[in-house]
Amino acid sequence: EVQLVESGGGLVKPGGSLRLSCAASGFTFSSYSMNWVRQAPGKGLEWVSSISSSSSYIYYADSVKGRFTISRDNAKNSLYLQMNSLRAEDTAVYYCAKNDYFDYWGQGTLVTVSS
Amino acid sequence: QSALTQPASVSGSPGQSITISCTGTSSDVGGYNYVSWYQQHPGKAPKLMIYDVSNRPSGVSNRFSGSKSGNTASLTISGLQAEDEADYYCSSYTSSSTQVFGTGTKVTVL
Repeated sequence: EVQLVESGGGLVKPGGSLRLSCAASGFTFSSYSMNWVRQAPGKGLEWVSSISSSSSYIYYADSVKGRFTISRDNAKNSLYLQMNSLRAEDTAVYYCAKNDYFDYWGQGTLVTVSS
Repeated sequence: QSALTQPASVSGSPGQSITISCTGTSSDVGGYNYVSWYQQHPGKAPKLMIYDVSNRPSGVSNRFSGSKSGNTASLTISGLQAEDEADYYCSSYTSSSTQVFGTGTKVTVL
């Protein structure tokens, strides 16, 4: 059974940093691209970033480019999102999602940016 | 990258069919057969319902079908059931190698 479990969310002040993790199991993690998708409270889904299976290709939404860094450790079956210079508008539930077409999602981790 | 355009809400009676549209541009929906649809119930993670325009993952009811014409993709739910009441989002691959989601549609079963 495919499982994706996010962690690392919490309350952080504007300008602060946070690192999210996504632990994957139930599939060959190293064979699939992975993504981060977020959803602000009461709002729609927003794609944040994607990384190819071997980390050769990495892409970001314009809204986070230069502030967020996606990475993965295939030996640990884990996906990460380093978030720096956080803003109030980054407040959202952050989901990790498997594959180019997001066939599996984690339960999400809430990031709140507030003073 | 601007969000794809979906109607804010669509409603139907049990047993009826409804269609949700997802309008983009030639740089996303119209340019690639990489449109997906997701169902999201309140407080839950999204669930993949359709991928690559019209393919249904294993376990998804055949009451859900997808299609595309030009820059607009569509999700049709036939034989509407109470459990189909949820938010629905489309997504598409883009010419920038990024992904873009639709604005979301709330489906109400009357």
